Amino acid sequence: GQQLNQSPQSMFIQEGEDVSMNCTSSSIFNTWLWYKQDPGEGPVLLIALYKAGELTSNGRLTAQFGITRKDSFLNISASIPSDVGIYFCAGQLYGGSQGNLIFGKGTKLSVKP
Amino acid sequence: NAGVTQTPKFQVLKTGQSMTLQCAQDMNHEYMSWYRQDPGMGLRLIHYSVGAGITDQGEVPNGYNVSRSTTEDFPLRLLSAAPSQTSVYFCASSYSRDSLGGYTFGSGTRLTVV
Repeated sequence: GQQLNQSPQSMFIQEGEDVSMNCTSSSIFNTWLWYKQDPGEGPVLLIALYKAGELTSNGRLTAQFGITRKDSFLNISASIPSDVGIYFCAGQLYGGSQGNLIFGKGTKLSVKP
Repeated sequence: NAGVTQTPKFQVLKTGQSMTLQCAQDMNHEYMSWYRQDPGMGLRLIHYSVGAGITDQGEVPNGYNVSRSTTEDFPLRLLSAAPSQTSVYFCASSYSRDSLGGYTFGSGTRLTVV
């Protein structure tokens, strides 16, 4: 089946630093989504991307849908302690039997004050 | 509060026992799904439903059963629990499988099988 390669697996950064993570796939997607999971909670949607080349921001977060439709990245600027958590990318291909969300394995972010 | 409600939050089972994980949503979502989360494995789809009376298998369905008798509820049944089913289980829902708004997740059920 389809697989997403998300990197890095983990990051340990200083407060105030910028963060970048990405996701690649061997297959194309119609939609790329980025979720954040806080400890003990379910994933929460951060940003949704629907068009190749699309660049979308949500506060300090910026994400892009790759031109090839096979990749996406998420940037976090000026990190703060509450950014700690696991970030998941997810891809979706509409129609047929493949319309369910497929998730990457996550990037665990730790922020040192 | 609107959202996806999962019960219980924690459960310990003995090998061979059966149990049902409950999931309910009050957003009138047609699509519901179950994922399991294991360390280093991300979220893997177990079963999903595109509407009442319709269910289908995901990536890792073995050992699990589901049914969808109402729009609101989508229970996940473990018929004979095994240690390999120790995991955190998440239920998610959306207006449709191709929902442009992504999926809304519950807060999870942490299951340990001993």
